[in-house]
Amino acid sequence: NAGVMQNPRHLVRRRGQEARLRCSPMKGHSHVYWYRQLPEEGLKFMVYLQKENIIDESGMPKERFSAEFPKEGPSILRIQQVVRGDSAAYFCASSPRQQTEPLSGNTIYFGEGSWLTVV
Amino acid sequence: RKEVEQDPGPFNVPEGATVAFNCTYSNSASQSFFWYRQDCRKEPKLLMSVYSSGNEDGRFTAQLNRASQYISLLIRDSKLSDSATYLCVVRGNTGKLIFGQGTTLQVKP
Repeated sequence: NAGVMQNPRHLVRRRGQEARLRCSPMKGHSHVYWYRQLPEEGLKFMVYLQKENIIDESGMPKERFSAEFPKEGPSILRIQQVVRGDSAAYFCASSPRQQTEPLSGNTIYFGEGSWLTVV
Repeated sequence: RKEVEQDPGPFNVPEGATVAFNCTYSNSASQSFFWYRQDCRKEPKLLMSVYSSGNEDGRFTAQLNRASQYISLLIRDSKLSDSATYLCVVRGNTGKLIFGQGTTLQVKP
């Protein structure tokens, strides 16, 4: 029973390069969330996607960052022209459905994260 | 004001101690609350949900005070293995999870 799979686990990029982070949700899950964690800080919500749809991108920086979750294949978080401040852990999470009902429990599961270092 | 606020600590306690963490949230319409645990360089993992009536899971007790928009976590009989960062989490609109900064606990022998 594979969990949420993220790759690469560690990625080093030079300033100005592109970083692509992939997330394969748990089997049967059609909802994906991306979070960023800067050193010594909490997780910050970035984007919430359902297959082929962006449901909530209120946490995405306006420039250089994009995310997709195609009908087939993993979700991709893409960071163009990386800068040192993009160095962080990027966590993906998945759930089988939208989690909006009160007391519906929590079926959101996290991957092990992708650590991006920009040099 | 942050949507979810926690005292970052660190809390340094001896084994066997009882320790309490607090958290406040800003959106009075929030309806679902959780505590997560995160170990160093690991993903966050769900510790427990938090209900208005309070809930207990072994040595862990969570409480919610909706009037004060306040959530707490009590850990009794602390173990060395409890050393971690504890994240207060509120479910936002659209279903996304909103995390506090986390409170670091270090249990010492």
